[in-house]
Amino acid sequence: AQSVTQLGSHVSVSEGALVLLRCNYSSSVPPYLFWYVQYPNQGLQLLLKYTSAATLVKGINGFEAEFKKSETSFHLTKPSAHMSDAAEYFCAVNTDKLIFGTGTRLQVFP
Amino acid sequence: GAVVSQHPSWVICKSGTSVKIECRSLDFQATTMFWYRQFPKQSLMLMATSNEGSKATYEQGVEKDKFLINHASLTLSTLTVTSAHPEDSSFYICSAKRRGGWSTDTQYFGPGTRLTVL
Repeated sequence: AQSVTQLGSHVSVSEGALVLLRCNYSSSVPPYLFWYVQYPNQGLQLLLKYTSAATLVKGINGFEAEFKKSETSFHLTKPSAHMSDAAEYFCAVNTDKLIFGTGTRLQVFP
Repeated sequence: GAVVSQHPSWVICKSGTSVKIECRSLDFQATTMFWYRQFPKQSLMLMATSNEGSKATYEQGVEKDKFLINHASLTLSTLTVTSAHPEDSSFYICSAKRRGGWSTDTQYFGPGTRLTVL
């Protein structure tokens, strides 16, 4: 069965600092992997996705993620955090349906 | 492109009444639509998958008679919470997959509907 694990339910960074949100997956077949962002009381917005093309995937708002098969990871990064990045971030793996991780809440301090 | 809307964005109802939530794909046709439920500070739980013109497939533990799903067209799916009770209060989110063209593997999410049952 496919699954994703997000390490760290909360991450706090200072504005301008590196953002690193961790996601590890479990899959018996090459996975499709996604990162979504959710702002309070809103739906999910697609940040980026991996579909077996380039291993380094660039998304919106300056985010990117690198697919590492040897580590079964798909961590999300952003070089410099902005206050507007504060939100809930979900990693997901796609089979016939999306399997979500438990989410990581990102806080950005001035 | 790939915009999904939900209506209403929030609703308050009395216990025992039924509530209908609409999910529309505004600029694409959706082969499949999904309904999720999200409890505060938790992840999304898939309730059901609906394909246009066929019966919805419900996840284990979801009462199909309580959560009625209709997918009448390639751009509209509805979720009706029948005889709602306070424990049904939650954030309901729909998503849709494109029919043909690009990114058929991606789900596009609506903004969610906050249901409060008094």
